[in-house]
Amino acid sequence: DAGITQSPRYKITETGRQVTLMCHQTWSHSYMFWYRQDLGHGLRLIYYSAAADITDKGEVPDGYVVSRSKTENFPLTLESATRSQTSVYFCASSEMGAADEQFFGPGTRLTVL
Amino acid sequence: SQQGEEDPQALSIQEGENATMNCSYKTSINNLQWYRQNSGRGLVHLILIRSNEREKHSGRLRVTLDTSKKSSSLLITASRAADTASYFCATAGGLYNFNKFYFGSGTKLNVKP
Repeated sequence: DAGITQSPRYKITETGRQVTLMCHQTWSHSYMFWYRQDLGHGLRLIYYSAAADITDKGEVPDGYVVSRSKTENFPLTLESATRSQTSVYFCASSEMGAADEQFFGPGTRLTVL
Repeated sequence: SQQGEEDPQALSIQEGENATMNCSYKTSINNLQWYRQNSGRGLVHLILIRSNEREKHSGRLRVTLDTSKKSSSLLITASRAADTASYFCATAGGLYNFNKFYFGSGTKLNVKP
């Protein structure tokens, strides 16, 4: 199916565990983004990638790691989850980065106990 | 922070009325975009207005941009119950932040049938 997908859609984990959220897009868009959405904060950019093997920090990168070995995938890893990372995580892709519209995935609701 | 801020935070209107939402931002931008988010869903792109444009239309949507005041407005005319959603502005650009989007905290619109 064409589009952008995220998995899992829901995840409950414990403090200190490593968690990886997956994002896959079928458009071959160059740019991909990870955001977190918390009540009262809108969306905040965690990391973005301009192409395979090119990533850069966003507004709130601490505690997160990303990689992009293939254009279509952009996994986000929480190396040691904390309660403050409880949030809804959205992945997005764009052909021309900020000069273009972004297409968002359905989100992953992560709860860290 | 370049973050946009929407105003009002919440808006409740009757079907058929117009809805106006405002967005203010802090630094220079390349473009400003508006997104809609239905409850529990990902964001959907509505319209993009570039820094050298003052007004843009798309169907029932009208967006204005005043770079001297660092503000934008989104007007939805003849609103429908299906327009009930949260609306976010997103700013992008600036010399050192070109591919970084900054989202405001959103306006929650409720259109009563």
